[in-house]
Amino acid sequence: AQTVTQSQPEMSVQEAETVTLSCTYDTSESDYYLFWYKQPPSRQMILVIRQEAYKQQNATENRFSVNFQKAAKSFSLKISDSQLGDAAMYFCAFAQTALIFGKGTTLSVSS
Amino acid sequence: DAGITQSPRYKITETGRQVTLMCHQTWSHSYMFWYRQDLGHGLRLIYYSAAADITDKGEVPDGYVVSRSKTENFPLTLESATRSQTSVYFCASSGGGLPGYGYTFGSGTRLTVV
Repeated sequence: AQTVTQSQPEMSVQEAETVTLSCTYDTSESDYYLFWYKQPPSRQMILVIRQEAYKQQNATENRFSVNFQKAAKSFSLKISDSQLGDAAMYFCAFAQTALIFGKGTTLSVSS
Repeated sequence: DAGITQSPRYKITETGRQVTLMCHQTWSHSYMFWYRQDLGHGLRLIYYSAAADITDKGEVPDGYVVSRSKTENFPLTLESATRSQTSVYFCASSGGGLPGYGYTFGSGTRLTVV
């Protein structure tokens, strides 16, 4: 069975700084997708970024980028130029059919 | 508006009662999913459906029943609610049957069993 591990229950960053959230996963499959979702206090699940496992190039969406290390089964999220609105719970997820989530990392942003 | 809607948004029920959470999507996505979110556990998959009349268990299916007679609806029923089923429930859908299309989530239902 696939598992997703987020080893940092809580992280903090100052505005304009950079923070990296860690995620590792375990699977025997070679073809899959990885996601980062953001959940603000409104509890809405918001897609941050998506990575196809067959692509070696790391995905980037504006201030958000990933470091995808397929051999190491690692998928970290880097947030650059952090903003107050980035404060939320962040979930890493693995998918072949259904999304399998990690337990989440709560990110706080201070001014 | 097109999208995925869950109802009710909040629900309080008593132990032993049957309760049904509704999920409706307007895209005709083939895949639909139910998750529960609990502190310290993230989101855990309860059931999913690949198409109408096709459902399968996820990680935590005990105590739940699903049906999918129409592509757009995927209700989740707690046949005899227990306090351990107090949680936030999310419905999601995926288009094209492939994860690459991404997933869209409803706004969630906060269920309290007293």
